[in-house]
Amino acid sequence: NAGVMQNPRHLVRRRGQEARLRCSPMKGHSHVYWYRQLPEEGLKFMVYLQKENIIDESGMPKERFSAEFPKEGPSILRIQQVVRGDSAAYFCASSNPNQPQHFGDGTRLSIL
Amino acid sequence: DAKTTQPNSMESNEEEPVHLPCNHSTISGTDYIHWYRQLPSQGPEYVIHGLTSNVNNRMASLAIAEDRKSSTLILHRATLRDAAVYYCILISGGSNYKLTFGKGTLLTVNP
Repeated sequence: NAGVMQNPRHLVRRRGQEARLRCSPMKGHSHVYWYRQLPEEGLKFMVYLQKENIIDESGMPKERFSAEFPKEGPSILRIQQVVRGDSAAYFCASSNPNQPQHFGDGTRLSIL
Repeated sequence: DAKTTQPNSMESNEEEPVHLPCNHSTISGTDYIHWYRQLPSQGPEYVIHGLTSNVNNRMASLAIAEDRKSSTLILHRATLRDAAVYYCILISGGSNYKLTFGKGTLLTVNP
């Protein structure tokens, strides 16, 4: 399967723990995007990365959230000290420049 | 980004054509019209996009009004697998990475 791969599909954390969400872009894609979908809402842009660079993080909360796309390996969205409001589906997409984005099937994060 | 307006829901019968409308009266000259759909428990799936001319691909057709203030996504023969939320999104040529998803149209396909 050459599509965007996200793992885990489901993640359960207790309040105060850390959540790490991983995304492997489609083969050959150099751009990665993260979106969040709260229950009953549309997807909201969080961050746009290219290899080793954050291009636009205007949609990311200022605290506790960080993202990286290292030279080797998947992109990681990290949420520190999770709270109940972080419960959502997190989607990763990838593309080449000026091409449509292709999405993974998301990670559903539940906070107990 | 310019705003789009779509009906909340539509219903169709299997194997019949479906026309999903989208209004975007404030579209600018550099805005591309993109359509994505999201099946239950899955990520959004790219369907089609265009700028001025009508577009066809294996999934659907996109009909764009001459003044570009509206467009229609056409599924030629709906199947049960086409039941999804369909999103019409405008993307500026200069910032084509920040997709803004509205509420979309929930399409129900009856067998």
